Amino acid sequence: EIVLTQSPGTLSLSPGERATLSCRASQSVRSTYLVWYQQKPGQAPRLLIHGASNRATGIPDRFSGSGSGTDFTLTISRLEPEDVAMYYCQQCASAPWAFGQGTKVEIK
Amino acid sequence: QVQLRESGPGLVKPSQTLSLTCTVSNASVGTTSYYWNWIRQAPGKGLEWIGYFYYRGSTYYNPSLKSRVSISVDTAKNQFSLTLTSVTAADTAVYFCASRGYSYVQDDFWGQGTLVTVSS
Repeated sequence: EIVLTQSPGTLSLSPGERATLSCRASQSVRSTYLVWYQQKPGQAPRLLIHGASNRATGIPDRFSGSGSGTDFTLTISRLEPEDVAMYYCQQCASAPWAFGQGTKVEIK
Repeated sequence: QVQLRESGPGLVKPSQTLSLTCTVSNASVGTTSYYWNWIRQAPGKGLEWIGYFYYRGSTYYNPSLKSRVSISVDTAKNQFSLTLTSVTAADTAVYFCASRGYSYVQDDFWGQGTLVTVSS
């Protein structure tokens, strides 16, 4: 069973700053099957990144993903107020398809 | 675009069985193209993957729930369902149904979620 650990738990930044979110897997994950979600309060999660580095349809280019093996990163290049949300990574390479525990992104 | 909508009781008594249904539009639950998933989120907590159903009965459940959970499909109604037995207050959560592409992970669609409270 693959466990995903996200860090930091909370990220508090000013508008325009760069946000770097980490997702570490307990064993290697094929990049094709690593995704990132954004979830705002009261809403269902929204797919941001699939295949570790591919933006989903309609996602602004300030969002990017990278990484391979056991270490993956979601970067928001210039934080906007509307980016305030929880961010989750998930692997669907090997069931159970666990989520990370999430990173909360706040605006200072 | 696949559309999903959860339905079911919003209140379940402890020790009883929680049953939810997800109605699917613009795709067939009998297709080989999608996994049909249930995910939940306890109040103020993160996402917990419950399990999936895939074509002709292939299922996989979260080991932490495996003894109490089942996911089934009704192709005639184009629905899939979640059953969770012997519920406790710890099962209080928003329950989401979602589809994920079998070949294309980016084919990812979610229902809006439904809150189920376990309380007497």
